[in-house]
Amino acid sequence: DAGITQSPRHKVTETGTPVTLRCHQTENHRYMYWYRQDPGHGLRLIHYSYGVKDTDKGEVSDGYSVSRSKTEDFLLTLESATSSQTSVYFCAITSDRVSYEQYFGPGTRLTVT
Amino acid sequence: QKEVEQNSGPLSVPEGAIASLNCTYSDRVSQSFFWYRQYSGKSPELIMSIYSNGDKEDGRFTAQLNKASQYVSLLIRDSQPSDSATYLCAVLTYYNNNDMRFGAGTRLTVKP
Repeated sequence: DAGITQSPRHKVTETGTPVTLRCHQTENHRYMYWYRQDPGHGLRLIHYSYGVKDTDKGEVSDGYSVSRSKTEDFLLTLESATSSQTSVYFCAITSDRVSYEQYFGPGTRLTVT
Repeated sequence: QKEVEQNSGPLSVPEGAIASLNCTYSDRVSQSFFWYRQYSGKSPELIMSIYSNGDKEDGRFTAQLNKASQYVSLLIRDSQPSDSATYLCAVLTYYNNNDMRFGAGTRLTVKP
């Protein structure tokens, strides 16, 4: 357990509505990541953060924004949700910048109707 | 061509057998390699990491890396029904060690 929680764990929302997912960690890790997981695609990186207010885009960042105002919280926002953003979203942290091992939170299942 | 490729399976082995999971990657500058296990409806769990050519053993798990062939594998000895899960291969390159690329996973079933 890397001390990561995600909220909400499940959410159903309508197309066009804004959605914010929260990742919270308790162990002061500098690096945090947001992934989405879809059948046939595996895990794909959306955005990552390397410190407070320091973020960068990943492989599938279109339609998503992130914010990190505190070390412990990394927020993922879908400004206007679309059905293609129906997915399972995982937050991850890197605990060790030598090994680069990433550890995942429990996930959020998002359905956009 | 996908950056990280795995056979989707399902791979079915009898209890007590060796399960062999394979992964190939396309980027020659990849430097760090990871195997994750994911049970249905759960998050990925790191089980092995490997950085150098050769074998790395941890309990019933052995990771094998061949950078020349761009190939990494995971062997599970004495497979147990509790090993039934999807196994994800992940790769990091040295020029962006925040951008981990994952294969789509191989589903393993261990039959009692």
